Amino acid sequence: ETGVTQTPRHLVMGMTNKKSLKCEQHLGHNAMYWYKQSAKKPLELMFVYSLEERVENNSVPSRFSPECPNSSHLFLHLHTLQPEDSALYLCASSRGLADNEQFFGPGTRLTVL
Amino acid sequence: LAKTTQPISMDSYEGQEVNITCSHNNIATNDYITWYQQFPSQGPRFIIQGYKTKVTNEVASLFIPADRKSSTLSLPRVSLSDTAVYYCLVGDFSSSNTGKLIFGQGTTLQVKP
Repeated sequence: ETGVTQTPRHLVMGMTNKKSLKCEQHLGHNAMYWYKQSAKKPLELMFVYSLEERVENNSVPSRFSPECPNSSHLFLHLHTLQPEDSALYLCASSRGLADNEQFFGPGTRLTVL
Repeated sequence: LAKTTQPISMDSYEGQEVNITCSHNNIATNDYITWYQQFPSQGPRFIIQGYKTKVTNEVASLFIPADRKSSTLSLPRVSLSDTAVYYCLVGDFSSSNTGKLIFGQGTTLQVKP
């Protein structure tokens, strides 16, 4: 238990669906992150938020839309995804951007049909 | 950020000490060395961080030579549950950084009975 929870843990969706991934951290951290991990590939940083403000968008397609309503919650809204978007999506948080100890959630295993 | 090189895989037996070496020839003065552990279908977990010499915690030790161009993660008396992927990361996490962790392929450690 890392103090970072993610829901759902598994998600299967069609290419025309709209769904959202949710992340919540109970650590009082100020920075939150979305990562993507595809099979046999390193983790890829997608988005970085600091104090609810997006500070990094790592060339992610617009079919992925993040939202950070407060410092404890982070969402990833998904629409018109492609099968190659199937992956493990991980959320993480840290005390601040200057802290390299990030706490990861268990991830959401996404399958796009 | 400095590029890191580590072995793709390693095998060990229960009870042995395991040393995983990471090369980072281009490490900068302000860079720290951080190691993460990842079990299948879980998010990575911070293990240890160091700048120079030796750092030890309840999980592992990190040895960093004077030139800092490499580092060695040492896991004492491994058990089957230490089977995981181990990532070496190098970066400057000062306040000017955007909290960017760059994960490579990591080292897959297989502990056998």
